[in-house]
Amino acid sequence: EVQLVESGGGLVQPGRSLKLSCAASGFTFSNYYMAWVRQAPKKGLEWVATISTSGSRTYYPDSVKGRFTISRDNAKSSLYLQMNSLKSEDTATYYCARHDGYYHYWGQGVMVTVSS
Amino acid sequence: DIQMTQSPPSLSASLGDKVTITCQASQNINKYIAWYQQKPGKAPRLLIRYTSTLESGTPSRFSGSGSGRDYSFSISNVESEDIASYYCLQYDNLPPNTFGAGTKLELK
Repeated sequence: EVQLVESGGGLVQPGRSLKLSCAASGFTFSNYYMAWVRQAPKKGLEWVATISTSGSRTYYPDSVKGRFTISRDNAKSSLYLQMNSLKSEDTATYYCARHDGYYHYWGQGVMVTVSS
Repeated sequence: DIQMTQSPPSLSASLGDKVTITCQASQNINKYIAWYQQKPGKAPRLLIRYTSTLESGTPSRFSGSGSGRDYSFSISNVESEDIASYYCLQYDNLPPNTFGAGTKLELK
């Protein structure tokens, strides 16, 4: 059974940093692209970042480019999202997802609140 | 970037009704569209990929169709457990993938 479990969320002040983690199991992690998708409160879904199998290629929308960094550790079957210079508009539930072109499997999500 | 225009934003249905949601892409997406169901407080769940391929465990009352820029998603015989929000996702041009804005299905 595929499982994705996010951690690391919480309340953070604007301008500060936070790092999210996602522990994967139930599939060969190193064979798949992975992604982060977020959802602001009562809003729709927004893609945040994608990483290739080896980690050599990363992709971001303009809204987070230069502030967020996606990374992975295939030996630990883990995915990460380093979020710097956080803004109030980054407040959202962040989901880790296996990126099979579409997002096939999702974690339960972790809440990030950016507020002073 | 490809834009996805999803409609309607909300939908009210009675149990047993058939409902249809549409997504129009800003360009041809070659049938690379997926549909998700999301219940409050839960992660999205993949229902359909590649326009009409049902994921394992997706009830047969769900269906998808379309081509080119225009796609639709239907639920025949709406059941109470279908009350949720639904999103389309294009994955022809990636990244970025782009989601539709969502449709909230409510009971009449």
